[in-house]
Amino acid sequence: GQQVMQIPQYQHVQEGEDFTTYCNSSTTLSNIQWYKQRPGGHPVFLIQLVKSGEVKKQKRLTFQFGEAKKNSSLHITATQTTDVGTYFCAGDQGGSEKLVFGKGTKLTVNP
Amino acid sequence: SQTIHQWPATLVQPVGSPLSLECTVEGTSNPNLYWYRQAAGRGLQLLFYSVGIGQISSEVPQNLSASRPQDRQFILSSKKLLLSDSGFYLCAWNARGNQPQHFGDGTRLSIL
Repeated sequence: GQQVMQIPQYQHVQEGEDFTTYCNSSTTLSNIQWYKQRPGGHPVFLIQLVKSGEVKKQKRLTFQFGEAKKNSSLHITATQTTDVGTYFCAGDQGGSEKLVFGKGTKLTVNP
Repeated sequence: SQTIHQWPATLVQPVGSPLSLECTVEGTSNPNLYWYRQAAGRGLQLLFYSVGIGQISSEVPQNLSASRPQDRQFILSSKKLLLSDSGFYLCAWNARGNQPQHFGDGTRLSIL
């Protein structure tokens, strides 16, 4: 079945450093979504990418969808303590009513 | 606007006891509904999803079951809980399969 791999599993950074998490699918995706889960909270939808090579920005967050629609990345510029949490990617193969989630990257930021 | 409610927020149950977790969605019709389990510090494991009343798809064979008795109600049940059923249970909804999912606040289940 479809698998979505996410690396790294953990990332510790100093406040102000950049952070990137990568997501790779075993199959071509119709779209990819990113979620953030704060400690003790529930996942919250951040963004959805649909087009090959698409790049979207949300303030300090930059999301990319690969040309082959099998990989994606989330980059945070100049991390802040408010960025702490686990970031999940989730892929949809198309024609399915479910998403396949990566295992997430847990980000900690030292002030 | 749409809202999703899950209860209870926390639950402590003895091994072998039954379980019933409820999730309801307001402000939308015919949503897709999902049950996930998240072990401590781990990813999201899809347990069940439903595209309509009475329609349940099971992703992982286990001693849990799900039901959708009404359009916006999704229930997760077990007849006899195991220690391995401990975890953070999340309900989610979306309008269609490829749309963003919206999660409830979750239920933290501890089995003693």
